[in-house]
Amino acid sequence: AQTVTQSQPEMSVQEAETVTLSCTYDTSESDYYLFWYKQPPSRQMILVIRQEAYKQQNATENRFSVNFQKAAKSFSLKISDSQLGDAAMYFCAYTTLQYTGTASKLTFGTGTRLQVTL
Amino acid sequence: GAVVSQHPSWVICKSGTSVKIECRSLDFQATTMFWYRQFPKQSLMLMATSNEGSKATYEQGVEKDKFLINHASLTLSTLTVTSAHPEDSSFYICSARGQGRSFYTFGSGTRLTVV
Repeated sequence: AQTVTQSQPEMSVQEAETVTLSCTYDTSESDYYLFWYKQPPSRQMILVIRQEAYKQQNATENRFSVNFQKAAKSFSLKISDSQLGDAAMYFCAYTTLQYTGTASKLTFGTGTRLQVTL
Repeated sequence: GAVVSQHPSWVICKSGTSVKIECRSLDFQATTMFWYRQFPKQSLMLMATSNEGSKATYEQGVEKDKFLINHASLTLSTLTVTSAHPEDSSFYICSARGQGRSFYTFGSGTRLTVV
């Protein structure tokens, strides 16, 4: 079974600084997707960034980037120039690729609570 | 972008009554809908997966007779909590995925309080 592990329950970063959130996963599949979701106090799940396993290039979305190490099964999220609005719960998630029929479920990590201080 | 509308956003009900939560995909066909439960400061726990026109598949430990899921159309899925009790109080979130899509769209969640 696939598992996703986030070993940092809480992290703190100063405004304008950079922080990296860790995520590791376990799978026997070769094709899959990895995601980082943000859940602010409103509890709306917001997609931050996604990575296709077959792509070697690390995904980037503005201030957010990932370090995807497929062999090590590691998928960390780097937030640059942190802003107060980045304070939230961050979840790493995994799903397998399916091209037909039933969509695969998302497997979530336990989350990392990020605090942003002045 | 893809939008999923979830209603109600919060509901308070008396113990023993039933509550229905709706999720609608507004601009895409949701071939698969996922229903999650989230306790405070915890991760999302998948309750069940439903495909349009088929019976839902429930995760181990989830009572299918208590949590009724209907996915009768490509744009609407409902979760009915039957005979609700205080221990059913929680935050429920739906997530939809369209066929051929590689992303999941989440509803805004429903906070259920059973008194």
